[in-house]
Amino acid sequence: DGGITQSPKYLFRKEGQNVTLSCEQNLNHDAMYWYRQDPGQGLRLIYYSQIVNDFQKGDIAEGYSVSREKKESFPLTVTSAQKNPTAFYLCASSIVGTSVTVLAKNIQYFGAGTRLSVL
Amino acid sequence: QKEVEQNSGPLSVPEGAIASLNCTYSDRGSQSFFWYRQYSGKSPELIMSIYSNGDKEDGRFTAQLNKASQYVSLLIRDSQPSDSATYLCAVNMGYNQGGKLIFGQGTELSVKP
Repeated sequence: DGGITQSPKYLFRKEGQNVTLSCEQNLNHDAMYWYRQDPGQGLRLIYYSQIVNDFQKGDIAEGYSVSREKKESFPLTVTSAQKNPTAFYLCASSIVGTSVTVLAKNIQYFGAGTRLSVL
Repeated sequence: QKEVEQNSGPLSVPEGAIASLNCTYSDRGSQSFFWYRQYSGKSPELIMSIYSNGDKEDGRFTAQLNKASQYVSLLIRDSQPSDSATYLCAVNMGYNQGGKLIFGQGTELSVKP
């Protein structure tokens, strides 16, 4: 089955600890994204990557880090600097068009999410 | 002003009625618009995309776009209890911003049997 796999489904972080959320896709998509969702809120972009070995900060990157060593994988690390990490984390992916028109119609597909809580 | 704003909920409609969800956006350069449905505790799933002014219909769903007014809406006809969910409006910020999506805060819809 083609899709986006996030793991684990639930994660608990102790104070001062770094934790890593996994995101893997087999859709052959170039672009991958990480979002954070707080209760009753929309999605806020943390980081995104359009190509291997390159990524850009989103609107709320502080306290987070990412890597993109393989096209299929885009792990997110929640560092101890993120003081309020409790949230629902969503990974998404999409194609990256080479034309303005294709990129503008870019559709993002989501994984099932990871729910992170603080112990 | 928020970049993407949705009408505040929750919105409650009786089964069989039309549900109307609204969204406004601030960037006139935005080129494409999406509606995602999110059930409680689940991830968003795409239900409609629209790129040109006018209406786009898909089954019981109709998306409407008015770029001059910077307004996009979603109509759900013959609403069913299974339509009860949060609906997220998302706007593509265009090529110069890497095709990023900006999401509204969501509108919770409740369809009463």
